[in-house]
Amino acid sequence: KQEVTQIPAALSVPEGENLVLNCSFTDSAIYNLQWFRQDPGKGLTSLLLIQSSQREQTSGRLNASLDKSSGRSTLYIAASQPGDSATYLCAVRVPQGGSEKLVFGKGTKLTVNP
Amino acid sequence: GAVVSQHPSWVICKSGTSVKIECRSLDFQATTMFWYRQFPKQSLMLMATSNEGSKATYEQGVEKDKFLINHASLTLSTLTVTSAHPEDSSFYICSAREVDWPDTQYFGPGTRLTVL
Repeated sequence: KQEVTQIPAALSVPEGENLVLNCSFTDSAIYNLQWFRQDPGKGLTSLLLIQSSQREQTSGRLNASLDKSSGRSTLYIAASQPGDSATYLCAVRVPQGGSEKLVFGKGTKLTVNP
Repeated sequence: GAVVSQHPSWVICKSGTSVKIECRSLDFQATTMFWYRQFPKQSLMLMATSNEGSKATYEQGVEKDKFLINHASLTLSTLTVTSAHPEDSSFYICSAREVDWPDTQYFGPGTRLTVL
């Protein structure tokens, strides 16, 4: 059974710092890995999607890496801003029967202090 | 970008009543929609997957008679929580997958259900 773990559970940093969020998964048989952002009481916004054959993806100040063989991914946020404060979720897309599904971690709650 | 809406955004009901939550894809056709439940400080847990015009596929441990899912059109899926109890109080999020972009799921804003 696939399990996704995110460390740390919470992180507080001053504005301007670069930071790394970690995600690990137990089964390397994944189609892709996605990082999402969730604001309090809201739905999910997709940030980056990395296919299983890829090593990293970048979007603006965000960079996500994937090491499928070791079951790890990191989300790097450069020059953090108070607006980056949210919960960041990692999810892997895995096969299930004749279809597939997303398996989520519990998230890392990020607070960027002005 | 693709937008998924949910209605209502929050609902409070008495124990024993039924509650219906709607999920709509506003500007695209979704052959597949997903329903998730999220408890405080927990992961999103997939409840069921629904394909337009066919019966939903429920995850292990999810009662299909309690959580009724209907996906009657390419833009609408509904989740009905029947005979709701306080332990059903949670944040319910739907997601829709576009026909031509199977890798991408668009998520709705969620519905907060509180059962008294």
